Amino acid sequence: DGGITQSPKYLFRKEGQNVTLSCEQNLNHDAMYWYRQDPGQGLRLIYYSQIVNDFQKGDIAEGYSVSREKKESFPLTVTSAQKNPTAFYLCASSFSSLYGYTFGSGTRLTVV
Amino acid sequence: GESVGLHLPTLSVQEGDNSIINCAYSNSASDYFIWYKQESGKGPQFIIDIRSNMDKRQGQRVTVLLNKTVKHLSLQIAATQPGDSAVYFCAEPAGNNRKLIWGLGTSLAVNP
Repeated sequence: DGGITQSPKYLFRKEGQNVTLSCEQNLNHDAMYWYRQDPGQGLRLIYYSQIVNDFQKGDIAEGYSVSREKKESFPLTVTSAQKNPTAFYLCASSFSSLYGYTFGSGTRLTVV
Repeated sequence: GESVGLHLPTLSVQEGDNSIINCAYSNSASDYFIWYKQESGKGPQFIIDIRSNMDKRQGQRVTVLLNKTVKHLSLQIAATQPGDSAVYFCAEPAGNNRKLIWGLGTSLAVNP
């Protein structure tokens, strides 16, 4: 079955460490997105990529980095520069701007 | 409008009643709208979409109404069930890159 997979589901990070969240899709979608969601709040766009080897900053990119070396993969690194990284992170992909997004099941990151 | 970290409004309904969730948009040129459902701890799931050449679209127990005159969108859920308890987001592609702009979201609580 086609879909979008995020891993791990839960992640714990010590202060000062970088961590990388995985996002893989086998839907043959061109565009991929990373969102952050805080408890009881909406979605905020971190980074997005409309094509391989290209990505753009979203609304809250500071403290995060991404790469898009393959169409199927769009990993997100939460760096030590992100001062408040504890949140639920969602990855999504879309075939084109004419359609909506397919979301992964999310990664819950906690700083300990 | 775009989520800016505000807390979600809540709608509470009795099981079996109809639910109406509202969304306003600001761009009169918007041509496509999508409703998503997000259950606790999961990624958003597509429910239904509508294009601007339509006023109404029906799915299974859900209906979306689009009023372009007042730039208003609503999601109606018939015979609301406990499994409908979730956060509901409206979204629209916007800008030159047509990335999705997300509404704040509404939390629907179904009382047995």
